Amino acid sequence: GDSVTQMEGPVTLSEEAFLTINCTYTATGYPSLFWYVQYPGEGLQLLLKATKADDKGSNKGFEATYRKETTSFHLEKGSVQVSDSAVYFCALSDVNAGKSTFGDGTTLTVKP
Amino acid sequence: NAGVTQTPKFQVLKTGQSMTLQCAQDMNHEYMSWYRQDPGMGLRLIHYSVGAGITDQGEVPNGYNVSRSTTEDFPLRLLSAAPSQTSVYFCASSGRALNTEAFFGQGTRLTVV
Repeated sequence: GDSVTQMEGPVTLSEEAFLTINCTYTATGYPSLFWYVQYPGEGLQLLLKATKADDKGSNKGFEATYRKETTSFHLEKGSVQVSDSAVYFCALSDVNAGKSTFGDGTTLTVKP
Repeated sequence: NAGVTQTPKFQVLKTGQSMTLQCAQDMNHEYMSWYRQDPGMGLRLIHYSVGAGITDQGEVPNGYNVSRSTTEDFPLRLLSAAPSQTSVYFCASSGRALNTEAFFGQGTRLTVV
């Protein structure tokens, strides 16, 4: 079945540091790929997405590129802020199956 | 916009009690799902539905029932609560298009004592 593997956390960075959170996937079809963010006490919300190979999703300074050859969708940000502290989930969606598969989440803490 | 609405936000149950977690969406989405979130285990799919009248089991379905009588509603029933069902539960919905994302409710924090 489909699966998503994220780098283990937690990750602690200083403000303005560079962020990379690795994500790789296994899928039998041609999934869409997503990054979701969860702030304390809230549900998940979409951060960015990509639907086909070589697509780059971007939002709020975060970027991720759909790499079919390496089955990866790594999240990057050039300069993190304290407000980026949250849990980040990589996910894939099989629209034919009507469900999504999530990674275990990576907790990011950014210190001033 | 209401989006996905879950009720209640918090609940404490005694072992053996039953209850229903409510989930409603107003986006006319075909797909709805229930997940549980436990520390260090990410989101695990309990049950999902691809349309009214159609449901299927996810990764961890034991102890839970669902039904989908309307497009809008997807309740999750705990038949006989156990301490192992202490968790945060999220309902999500999404459309059928290839690039559509999932929309999540705010979650229900359930404690079984």
